[in-house]
Amino acid sequence: DTAVSQTPKYLVTQMGNDKSIKCEQNLGHDTMYWYKQDSKKFLKIMFSYNNKELIINETVPNRFSPKSPDKAHLNLHINSLELGDSAVYFCASSISIGNEKLFFGSGTQLSVL
Amino acid sequence: GNSVTQMEGPVTLSEEAFLTINCTYTATGYPSLFWYVQYPGEGLQLLLKATKADDKGSNKGFEATYRKETTSFHLEKGSVQVSDSAVYFCALSGNDYKLSFGAGTTVTVRA
Repeated sequence: DTAVSQTPKYLVTQMGNDKSIKCEQNLGHDTMYWYKQDSKKFLKIMFSYNNKELIINETVPNRFSPKSPDKAHLNLHINSLELGDSAVYFCASSISIGNEKLFFGSGTQLSVL
Repeated sequence: GNSVTQMEGPVTLSEEAFLTINCTYTATGYPSLFWYVQYPGEGLQLLLKATKADDKGSNKGFEATYRKETTSFHLEKGSVQVSDSAVYFCALSGNDYKLSFGAGTTVTVRA
């Protein structure tokens, strides 16, 4: 069973559209994250949730809205997509806040045309 | 703020060659240091870590030593294999619950 699974794996869409990426972890972890990886492989944290509560919000445009219906799920909704949003988005989880052993999903490659 | 600078790639090696990837950091206090690895088509996974000065992290033949005096955490492996081809990320964690990653170094090992 996949520990951290995110869908879809690939997402191709037009500028201005709204899209969502889903993430689920079956590890029983309390903390989940969204990271963005650009074309140069640079990885930057976007959000972190602990037990459904927002802990970290790293100056991300408010077009990006995370939602955590329960501690096993952290979805990412993006409104009015822009060309610069094209990247690979990784979901991750850890046992608790402050635990640095992160378990990553395999990524969602978003291409905005 | 906290930041990590690592050697730019890409790095291409032959099998059984020695690999070093340099990593230096800037941080307040006493961060923990990590190396993560991303194999093709996969998410990152923790390779090794060190939580205090002079600690050595090791895993799968890779090693890195936490050097406070030089603020470094260089990754080394004595004899690489084709299966070590991946992107390697140095990272640090301070008191702010955030893991800050370096830019990643792509390593390709040729048979």
